[in-house]
Order: sequence, then C-alpha cells, then structure tokens
Amino acid sequence: KAGVTQTPRYLIKTRGQQVTLSCSPISGHRSVSWYQQTPGQGLQFLFEYFSETQRNKGNFPGRFSGRQFSNSRSEMNVSTLELGDSALYLCASSLGRLAGGNEQFFGPGTRLTVL
Amino acid sequence: TQLLEQSPQFLSIQEGENLTVYCNSSSVFSSLQWYRQEPGEGPVLLVTVVTGGEVKKLKRLTFQFGDARKDSSLHITAAQPGDTGLYLCAKYSGSARQLTFGSGTQLTVLP
Repeated sequence: KAGVTQTPRYLIKTRGQQVTLSCSPISGHRSVSWYQQTPGQGLQFLFEYFSETQRNKGNFPGRFSGRQFSNSRSEMNVSTLELGDSALYLCASSLGRLAGGNEQFFGPGTRLTVL
Repeated sequence: TQLLEQSPQFLSIQEGENLTVYCNSSSVFSSLQWYRQEPGEGPVLLVTVVTGGEVKKLKRLTFQFGDARKDSSLHITAAQPGDTGLYLCAKYSGSARQLTFGSGTQLTVLP
C-alpha cells in the first residue's frame, strides 16, 4: 500500500506570494492533518480535515487555509507569504479522526523557503 | 506555548552506549505517543502508552509512562547508528482536538 505523498517536495517563493501544497493520503484514509515544523517552534498542528470539512484548527493566522476533496486528497494554501513561513510542512493521514485515537501516518513533507 | 518538554535537546553518543530521553508535562495526559523522524522524512509512530506505570518494549527501545501520567521516558540499549534521528513525544488534547508535540531530542549515534 502506498504511503502518504506530498508535492512538491521543495519550493522557493518570495515574500507576498502565495503557495499551494498538495497531499495524497493512504488509500482508504479519510482524515488528513497538516503540521508546520520549524527549528524554533517544533512541530505545530495547523488543521484537520475529515469528509471534506475542516474539523479543527491550530493557532495560525487566516493566511493559512486548506481544503479536502471527495477522494480525501487535501491541499493547503498560504497567502501573502512571510519570511517566518519558511518551514517543513507535513501532512498526515489516518483512517478516522484524531479524536478517535486513530494512528497517523506522515508524508515526507514539503520544504518551503520564503526569500 | 510548549506543553511538552523534552530533554535533552541534543544527544551525541558512541555506538553501543545506552541512553534515556525524557518527556514531561505539567498536566496529566490520557496517553502519550513517541515518534522518530529521520532526515528528509516525516515522523513515524513508535509506540503509544496509555496506562500509568506502563512499560513497553520495542527491540532495544523501552518506553515508560510515569505513574502520575505526567511524564514518560524512552531508553535505548546498545545504541546503533540506525537509531539516529529526532525523537518526538506527543499527546492528544481532547479540549483542543489536536496532537501536541514536544520540542524533540536530536540523537546522533556515532559508529
């Protein structure tokens, strides 16, 4: 069974631009969560999607948004990029929602650099 | 605010040595997960501990959940270079409905 895939793996943008990251979950998984990982703040929860609906959101500004499609694939968008948005963005999928104690499987991440 | 504190932050040891890393919280948690993340990859779940005082073993790795369920430790016996990676603890917050991660311990095992 294929694992979680994320595209692109690397991305370089400039301040003020916007970016869209993509995540394909493991087949059959319906929950997709997104995380931001930086050296200073560690791994922080962005949001979780289940059945095409955002179920909860971490403490991030509204510039961070996402969506989930009917095939469970998810995209994350960051608008008006800032230097501090440079990070590894990780996607994780699970059979059910996080609240159900379902195990998450992480993708390799997208390394975003904002210049 | 970091709700889970991990120590040490960095650890560099020789192959064959033993080590212990710690994860502490000021509040009780219902369960705790340990992950390992290797360079260029996402974290991989190693174990979930749910019962106070619980001990779980995974080959050379021993995980312990504190009796008061506010701390946990990971002990590695006879470390190998393949154990190199970032070790993360994480807890699920029911009120926030999210997984909160500790700051991590970066382990390097030298051959």
